[in-house]
Amino acid sequence: DTGVSQNPRHKITKRGQNVTFRCDPISEHNRLYWYRQTLGQGPEFLTYFQNEAQLEKSRLLSDRFSAERPKGSFSTLEIQRTEQGDSAMYLCASSPGTGDYEQYFGPGTRLTVT
Amino acid sequence: GNSVTQMEGPVTLSEEAFLTINCTYTATGYPSLFWYVQYPGEGLQLLLKATKADDKGSNKGFEATYRKETTSFHLEKGSVQVSDSAVYFCALSDSGQGAQKLVFGQGTRLTINP
Repeated sequence: DTGVSQNPRHKITKRGQNVTFRCDPISEHNRLYWYRQTLGQGPEFLTYFQNEAQLEKSRLLSDRFSAERPKGSFSTLEIQRTEQGDSAMYLCASSPGTGDYEQYFGPGTRLTVT
Repeated sequence: GNSVTQMEGPVTLSEEAFLTINCTYTATGYPSLFWYVQYPGEGLQLLLKATKADDKGSNKGFEATYRKETTSFHLEKGSVQVSDSAVYFCALSDSGQGAQKLVFGQGTRLTINP
């Protein structure tokens, strides 16, 4: 059990560019969550997968954002046409999904849009 | 919707002082409650949790009791150490659409001086 991993750890991009982040959950965790954390705030829920199915999306997830979990293992979060307001830490978490509500968080990807 | 309100920081204490960080919540139903900690340069880690009213979560000398009558989950520690310096987040599990997503407070930055 190596924990939740996220890549890259840091990403600097210019406004208007597309970016993609990857999350590898703890193996055999069938629930995967994405959150966004801005400076001085707590994380805010973006979306949730159970296995490969995306079951819930927050209103925060505009149509420029898309997330996938194609084989029920790793997940990607893509932001198209980035804006300065997208600058934040993007956190991934996984959970066994068997009644244990504990979510295990990755170290996050810090996005800076210039 | 569900929400969590935390005591505003930053909080600065001397080593061996008593710590209380207040947390109150608004929720429908019976959420589970959590305290997460974020040490400098690290990801979110679960500190403790309580899944039903009157449960007490405890870990590393920290405690919090799920008080349904006051909708509170205050974090306490009898004698803090410099190594407890971190940002602390109170959270509840929101089971909308079965996601068990977490709703976080804004975080409280704690600094312990030797």
